[in-house]
Amino acid sequence: DSGVTQTPKHLITATGQRVTLRCSPRSGDLSVYWYQQSLDQGLQFLIQYYNGEERAKGNILERFSAQQFPDLHSELNLSSLELGDSALYFCASSVYPQSSYNEQFFGPGTRLTVL
Amino acid sequence: DQQVKQNSPSLSVQEGRISILNCDYTNSMFDYFLWYKKYPAEGPTFLISISSIKDKNEDGRFTVFLNKSAKHLSLHIVPSQPGDSAVYFCAASASGSQGNLIFGKGTKLSVKP
Repeated sequence: DSGVTQTPKHLITATGQRVTLRCSPRSGDLSVYWYQQSLDQGLQFLIQYYNGEERAKGNILERFSAQQFPDLHSELNLSSLELGDSALYFCASSVYPQSSYNEQFFGPGTRLTVL
Repeated sequence: DQQVKQNSPSLSVQEGRISILNCDYTNSMFDYFLWYKKYPAEGPTFLISISSIKDKNEDGRFTVFLNKSAKHLSLHIVPSQPGDSAVYFCAASASGSQGNLIFGKGTKLSVKP
């Protein structure tokens, strides 16, 4: 158990809908990262938050947004869903690095299926 | 364009033998490299890492080797055990990247009894 929790574990929805994925980081970790893993793909970095502030963006679509709350949990909002958004979404957390030497600890993921 | 490549989608090894998983990268700014292991229906689990100032890091049965001139790293598992069967991801990060990781597509390791 990494100490990172994600809910829900599975989510099935229809095209055009909006969903919210939730992540609670390990105790003491201030950074939260979101990744997407599509079929046959590696993990693609989406976005990072540190102590409530957005710090870096990766390949995140404009239809997607995220935020980190004062209690450090984070939510990833996916809207106007398309079939291609079906994927595993992982949250990871870490102590904010002073350098790039940064081990991230991953949650179990949320499997999103868009029908 | 993939910055981190794992060219072998799968690898099969006999129990007790050595498993060698390979990873190549293209970005010379990468200075920290990690290996993660992933079982089905679970998130990736951190395994071992190496910084660019080293060429080898060892932790029990796991050793990571880094060849900066070739932009290549490898993970050695000795001896391999059936419980090592999983997908292994290579990841890299660069200074100034806020620690964001760039992952390869993974290699599925099967260790046969």
